[in-house]
Amino acid sequence: DAKTTQPTSMDCAEGRAANLPCNHSTISGNEYVYWYRQIHSQGPQYIIHGLKNNETNEMASLIITEDRKSSTLILPHATLRDTAVYYCIVRVTTLNSGYALNFGKGTSLLVTP
Amino acid sequence: DAGVTQSPTHLIKTRGQQVTLRCSPKSGHDTVSWYQQALGQGPQFIFQYYEEEERQRGNFPDRFSGHQFPNYSSELNVNALLLGDSALYLCASSRGQGTFFGPGTRLLVL
Repeated sequence: DAKTTQPTSMDCAEGRAANLPCNHSTISGNEYVYWYRQIHSQGPQYIIHGLKNNETNEMASLIITEDRKSSTLILPHATLRDTAVYYCIVRVTTLNSGYALNFGKGTSLLVTP
Repeated sequence: DAGVTQSPTHLIKTRGQQVTLRCSPKSGHDTVSWYQQALGQGPQFIFQYYEEEERQRGNFPDRFSGHQFPNYSSELNVNALLLGDSALYLCASSRGQGTFFGPGTRLLVL
């Protein structure tokens, strides 16, 4: 799986949009971009994933550049409960989902009042 | 519908002992993976079980072993515990594209 690079930490004011970048310049054509987050002392939580088109769900939006070498996770209106470590993961996905998730160190997002 | 459950939540062991951690996957999920998360680090993949067999393994020694039962639940066994085995152990279950994590078992080795 391709390697990802994320900033170590970021701050965001409550109510503002949080934009979390991820670089995956060696991504292959069949690799998806996944985002997970981990709130302190809990298991990682799935947020969103995409291949090449922008994606949106009830939690967040995922913007993938046209060359697919980078992406941005957007939390449109950050709340204090969004304070967590956010992981960007690139991997091949099959119908069997039989592949490990390669977590890096992620981005520690702090949402402040 | 219960999500992924793990037991126990916390555990304290001493060096050289053996430990067994348990995981029940989300209903309908047939694949179980185990991860180790040291303090301040991201989760590291240990191994994955599917149809009661180890399908994929990360870079962990043979002291780490596992089992999957016919009902898809799973156990992680660690023998000859070292201080460095102190970590949060996460179980994840999947079927298709979705992977869901349990709350983890925090193991402290003294």
